[in-house]
Amino acid sequence: SQQGEEDPQALSIQEGENATMNCSYKTSINNLQWYRQNSGRGLVHLILIRSNEREKHSGRLRVTLDTSKKSSSLLITASRAADTASYFCALMDSNYQLIWGAGTKLIIKP
Amino acid sequence: DVKVTQSSRYLVKRTGEKVFLECVQDMDHENMFWYRQDPGLGLRLIYFSYDVKMKEKGDIPEGYSVSREKKERFSLILESASTNQTSMYLCASSFGALYYEQYFGPGTRLTVT
Repeated sequence: SQQGEEDPQALSIQEGENATMNCSYKTSINNLQWYRQNSGRGLVHLILIRSNEREKHSGRLRVTLDTSKKSSSLLITASRAADTASYFCALMDSNYQLIWGAGTKLIIKP
Repeated sequence: DVKVTQSSRYLVKRTGEKVFLECVQDMDHENMFWYRQDPGLGLRLIYFSYDVKMKEKGDIPEGYSVSREKKERFSLILESASTNQTSMYLCASSFGALYYEQYFGPGTRLTVT
Protein backbone atom coordinates (compact mmCIF):
# COMPACT_ATOMS: atom_id res chain seq x y z
CA SER A 1 0.00 0.00 0.00
CA GLN A 2 1.19 3.51 -0.72
CA GLN A 3 -0.76 4.80 2.26
CA GLY A 4 1.10 6.75 4.87
CA GLU A 5 0.99 5.02 8.23
CA GLU A 6 0.76 7.17 11.31
CA ASP A 7 2.05 6.13 14.67
CA PRO A 8 0.65 6.13 17.27
CA GLN A 9 -3.01 5.75 16.39
CA ALA A 10 -3.93 7.63 19.55
CA LEU A 11 -2.01 9.80 21.98
CA SER A 12 -3.12 11.35 25.26
CA ILE A 13 -0.86 13.86 27.04
CA GLN A 14 -1.07 16.57 29.66
CA GLU A 15 -1.41 20.20 28.61
CA GLY A 16 2.00 21.79 28.31
CA GLU A 17 3.76 18.58 27.25
CA ASN A 18 5.15 17.97 23.77
CA ALA A 19 3.41 15.63 21.35
CA THR A 20 5.19 13.68 18.63
CA MET A 21 3.48 11.85 15.80
CA ASN A 22 5.20 9.79 13.13
CA CYS A 23 4.39 8.93 9.56
CA SER A 24 6.04 6.19 7.51
CA TYR A 25 5.55 5.47 3.83
CA LYS A 26 6.76 3.18 1.09
CA THR A 27 6.71 5.12 -2.18
CA SER A 28 8.84 7.99 -3.43
CA ILE A 29 7.28 11.35 -2.73
CA ASN A 30 7.16 14.83 -4.19
CA ASN A 31 6.27 16.33 -0.83
CA LEU A 32 4.65 15.39 2.47
CA GLN A 33 1.90 17.39 4.10
CA TRP A 34 0.41 17.42 7.58
CA TYR A 35 -3.21 18.31 8.25
CA ARG A 36 -5.32 18.69 11.39
CA GLN A 37 -8.98 17.83 11.71
CA ASN A 38 -11.29 18.75 14.54
CA SER A 39 -15.03 18.93 14.72
CA GLY A 40 -15.11 22.70 14.79
CA ARG A 41 -12.91 23.63 11.85
CA GLY A 42 -12.79 20.61 9.59
CA LEU A 43 -9.54 19.61 7.87
CA VAL A 44 -6.86 22.28 7.91
CA HIS A 45 -3.43 22.29 6.27
CA LEU A 46 -0.54 22.70 8.73
CA ILE A 47 2.80 22.26 6.98
CA LEU A 48 4.14 21.10 3.62
CA ILE A 49 7.70 19.76 3.46
CA ARG A 50 9.33 19.06 0.11
CA SER A 51 11.34 15.93 -0.58
CA ASN A 52 14.61 17.91 -0.61
CA GLU A 53 13.93 19.51 2.76
CA ARG A 54 14.79 17.98 6.13
CA GLU A 55 13.03 20.20 8.62
CA LYS A 56 10.38 22.92 8.73
CA HIS A 57 8.92 25.01 11.51
CA SER A 58 5.64 26.85 11.90
CA GLY A 59 4.96 28.37 15.31
CA ARG A 60 4.84 25.50 17.80
CA LEU A 61 4.99 22.90 15.02
CA ARG A 62 8.16 21.22 13.82
CA VAL A 63 8.18 18.71 10.96
CA THR A 64 11.12 16.54 9.97
CA LEU A 65 11.51 14.39 6.91
CA ASP A 66 13.97 11.54 6.41
CA THR A 67 13.64 10.27 2.85
CA SER A 68 16.24 7.55 3.40
CA LYS A 69 14.05 6.05 6.13
CA LYS A 70 10.83 7.10 4.38
CA SER A 71 9.51 8.69 7.51
CA SER A 72 8.35 12.03 8.87
CA SER A 73 7.50 13.32 12.30
CA LEU A 74 5.32 16.14 13.56
CA LEU A 75 6.24 17.69 16.90
CA ILE A 76 3.83 19.98 18.72
CA THR A 77 5.54 21.80 21.57
CA ALA A 78 3.86 23.16 24.71
CA SER A 79 0.54 21.55 23.83
CA ARG A 80 -2.78 23.31 24.48
CA ALA A 81 -6.33 22.05 24.85
CA ALA A 82 -7.07 23.50 21.41
CA ASP A 83 -4.54 21.09 19.88
CA THR A 84 -6.95 18.22 20.58
CA ALA A 85 -7.68 16.87 17.11
CA SER A 86 -6.81 14.16 14.62
CA TYR A 87 -3.59 14.69 12.68
CA PHE A 88 -3.05 13.28 9.21
CA CYS A 89 0.00 12.94 7.05
CA ALA A 90 -0.57 13.02 3.31
CA LEU A 91 2.02 12.01 0.74
CA MET A 92 2.18 13.72 -2.63
CA ASP A 93 3.27 10.97 -4.99
CA SER A 94 4.93 11.24 -8.40
CA ASN A 95 1.48 11.47 -10.05
CA TYR A 96 0.67 14.52 -7.89
CA GLN A 97 -2.02 12.71 -5.94
CA LEU A 98 -2.28 12.98 -2.18
CA ILE A 99 -2.21 9.62 -0.40
CA TRP A 100 -3.59 9.87 3.12
CA GLY A 101 -2.82 8.03 6.31
CA ALA A 102 -5.50 6.98 8.79
CA GLY A 103 -4.50 9.65 11.29
CA THR A 104 -3.35 10.04 14.89
CA LYS A 105 -5.96 11.07 17.43
CA LEU A 106 -4.40 13.49 19.91
CA ILE A 107 -6.08 14.32 23.22
CA ILE A 108 -4.71 17.08 25.44
CA LYS A 109 -5.75 16.69 29.04
CA PRO A 110 -6.11 19.86 31.15
CA ASP B 1 -8.77 33.31 3.73
CA VAL B 2 -9.76 30.60 1.31
CA LYS B 3 -13.34 29.58 1.77
CA VAL B 4 -14.68 26.25 0.58
CA THR B 5 -18.35 25.66 1.24
CA GLN B 6 -20.43 22.54 0.84
CA SER B 7 -24.16 22.56 0.27
CA SER B 8 -25.15 20.46 3.28
CA ARG B 9 -23.54 19.41 6.57
CA TYR B 10 -25.87 16.44 7.02
CA LEU B 11 -27.91 14.56 4.46
CA VAL B 12 -30.13 11.49 4.72
CA LYS B 13 -31.17 9.73 1.53
CA ARG B 14 -32.85 6.47 0.60
CA THR B 15 -31.26 3.65 -1.36
CA GLY B 16 -31.62 4.23 -5.09
CA GLU B 17 -32.03 8.00 -4.88
CA LYS B 18 -29.88 10.31 -6.98
CA VAL B 19 -27.83 12.52 -4.71
CA PHE B 20 -26.12 15.81 -5.51
CA LEU B 21 -23.38 17.24 -3.33
CA GLU B 22 -22.19 20.70 -4.24
CA CYS B 23 -18.96 22.48 -3.42
CA VAL B 24 -18.05 26.10 -4.03
CA GLN B 25 -14.68 27.81 -3.54
CA ASP B 26 -14.15 31.55 -3.62
CA MET B 27 -10.40 31.82 -4.33
CA ASP B 28 -10.26 31.16 -8.07
CA HIS B 29 -8.47 27.84 -7.53
CA GLU B 30 -7.82 25.73 -10.59
CA ASN B 31 -8.05 22.37 -8.87
CA MET B 32 -10.95 20.84 -7.00
CA PHE B 33 -11.27 17.45 -5.35
CA TRP B 34 -13.87 15.13 -3.85
CA TYR B 35 -12.87 12.70 -1.11
CA ARG B 36 -14.71 10.34 1.14
CA GLN B 37 -13.54 9.74 4.67
CA ASP B 38 -14.27 6.55 6.57
CA PRO B 39 -12.97 5.57 10.03
CA GLY B 40 -9.58 3.86 9.91
CA LEU B 41 -9.19 4.43 6.16
CA GLY B 42 -8.14 8.06 5.95
CA LEU B 43 -9.28 10.06 2.95
CA ARG B 44 -9.80 8.39 -0.40
CA LEU B 45 -9.95 10.38 -3.62
CA ILE B 46 -13.10 9.94 -5.68
CA TYR B 47 -12.57 12.46 -8.51
CA PHE B 48 -10.64 15.61 -9.14
CA SER B 49 -10.72 18.41 -11.68
CA TYR B 50 -7.85 20.64 -12.76
CA ASP B 51 -9.89 22.90 -15.02
CA VAL B 52 -13.46 23.70 -16.00
CA LYS B 53 -15.13 20.75 -17.71
CA MET B 54 -12.09 18.56 -17.00
CA LYS B 55 -12.27 15.61 -14.63
CA GLU B 56 -10.04 12.76 -13.62
CA LYS B 57 -10.88 9.59 -11.75
CA GLY B 58 -9.36 9.05 -8.36
CA ASP B 59 -8.99 5.82 -6.46
CA ILE B 60 -12.67 5.00 -5.93
CA PRO B 61 -14.80 6.54 -8.73
CA GLU B 62 -17.28 3.66 -9.05
CA GLY B 63 -20.83 4.73 -8.31
CA TYR B 64 -19.99 8.43 -8.56
CA SER B 65 -19.83 11.09 -11.25
CA VAL B 66 -18.84 14.75 -11.16
CA SER B 67 -19.57 17.98 -12.94
CA ARG B 68 -17.57 21.17 -13.21
CA GLU B 69 -19.32 23.72 -15.40
CA LYS B 70 -17.86 26.76 -13.63
CA LYS B 71 -14.44 27.23 -12.10
CA GLU B 72 -15.74 27.82 -8.58
CA ARG B 73 -18.21 24.93 -8.43
CA PHE B 74 -17.60 21.18 -8.36
CA SER B 75 -20.49 18.78 -7.92
CA LEU B 76 -20.44 15.15 -6.87
CA ILE B 77 -23.30 12.97 -8.02
CA LEU B 78 -24.31 9.61 -6.65
CA GLU B 79 -26.31 8.15 -9.51
CA SER B 80 -28.14 5.57 -7.38
CA ALA B 81 -27.24 5.83 -3.71
CA SER B 82 -26.38 2.65 -1.85
CA THR B 83 -25.84 1.98 1.84
CA ASN B 84 -22.10 1.47 1.30
CA GLN B 85 -21.91 5.10 0.21
CA THR B 86 -22.79 6.23 3.72
CA SER B 87 -19.75 8.33 4.61
CA MET B 88 -18.30 11.77 5.22
CA TYR B 89 -17.68 13.57 1.91
CA LEU B 90 -15.03 16.26 1.78
CA CYS B 91 -14.47 18.77 -0.97
CA ALA B 92 -11.13 20.52 -1.40
CA SER B 93 -9.49 23.01 -3.72
CA SER B 94 -5.93 24.03 -4.48
CA PHE B 95 -4.14 26.69 -6.45
CA GLY B 96 -1.91 26.15 -9.45
CA ALA B 97 0.16 22.99 -9.62
CA LEU B 98 -1.39 19.90 -8.13
CA TYR B 99 1.38 19.50 -5.57
CA TYR B 100 0.33 22.50 -3.52
CA GLU B 101 -1.62 22.23 -0.29
CA GLN B 102 -5.37 21.70 -0.38
CA TYR B 103 -8.10 23.67 1.33
CA PHE B 104 -11.11 21.78 2.61
CA GLY B 105 -14.77 22.41 3.12
CA PRO B 106 -16.53 21.40 6.35
CA GLY B 107 -17.76 18.11 4.94
CA THR B 108 -21.14 16.51 4.29
CA ARG B 109 -22.09 13.53 6.38
CA LEU B 110 -24.28 11.42 4.10
CA THR B 111 -26.40 8.59 5.44
CA VAL B 112 -28.08 6.25 2.97
CA THR B 113 -30.87 4.14 4.46
